[in-house]
Amino acid sequence: DARVTQTPRHKVTEMGQEVTMRCQPILGHNTVFWYRQTMMQGLELLAYFRNRAPLDDSGMPKDRFSAEMPDATLATLKIQPSEPRDSAVYFCASGPRGTGANVLTFGAGSRLTVL
Amino acid sequence: EDQVTQSPEALRLQEGESSSLNCSYTVSGLRGLFWYRQDPGKGPEFLFTLYSAGEEKEKERLKATLTKKESFLHITAPKPEDSATYLCAAGYNQGGKLIFGQGTELSVKP
Repeated sequence: DARVTQTPRHKVTEMGQEVTMRCQPILGHNTVFWYRQTMMQGLELLAYFRNRAPLDDSGMPKDRFSAEMPDATLATLKIQPSEPRDSAVYFCASGPRGTGANVLTFGAGSRLTVL
Repeated sequence: EDQVTQSPEALRLQEGESSSLNCSYTVSGLRGLFWYRQDPGKGPEFLFTLYSAGEEKEKERLKATLTKKESFLHITAPKPEDSATYLCAAGYNQGGKLIFGQGTELSVKP
């Protein structure tokens, strides 16, 4: 089965440290999404890309978060500096080529704890 | 403001006790209403997509329906293995993004 791979699965860090999360989308998918999930807010869209170009990152705190796709097989989400309120599960999802909304396949998530 | 709202937040059923989950949405430029299942410690897993009012989709004990403002996920004679959080999401035509509701946590006791 094709799958979206995320690393690390778990990360514990201290406030102020840089955190990088990585995602390998499904081969052939051309859209990539970053979501954050917390008990209070549920699943929030942070940023997404089509054909490696950023389409919308309005959900991200711009001063500390950045998202990139260095190539078609890798998407990254960086937080610098991290804060305790960033503690959450971060999901990457990818979608197939096509117009309009598509079925997204999610990774298993990266659980981040900032102390 | 575009919004997806699910109810109830949590639902406890006995095995075999049928029920329904609700998803109401207010979204401009809607392109599809999606249902996902999420098990603890895992990412959401796709169940159904509905595009038109009146459309229905079925999979085992689950049936999803769609009206102009709501979608329902009907669970018939549930089993303990149906216990999970069920997420509803509205799809946008532009960019393909999904916005999610808060989810309904379903627990089915034997």
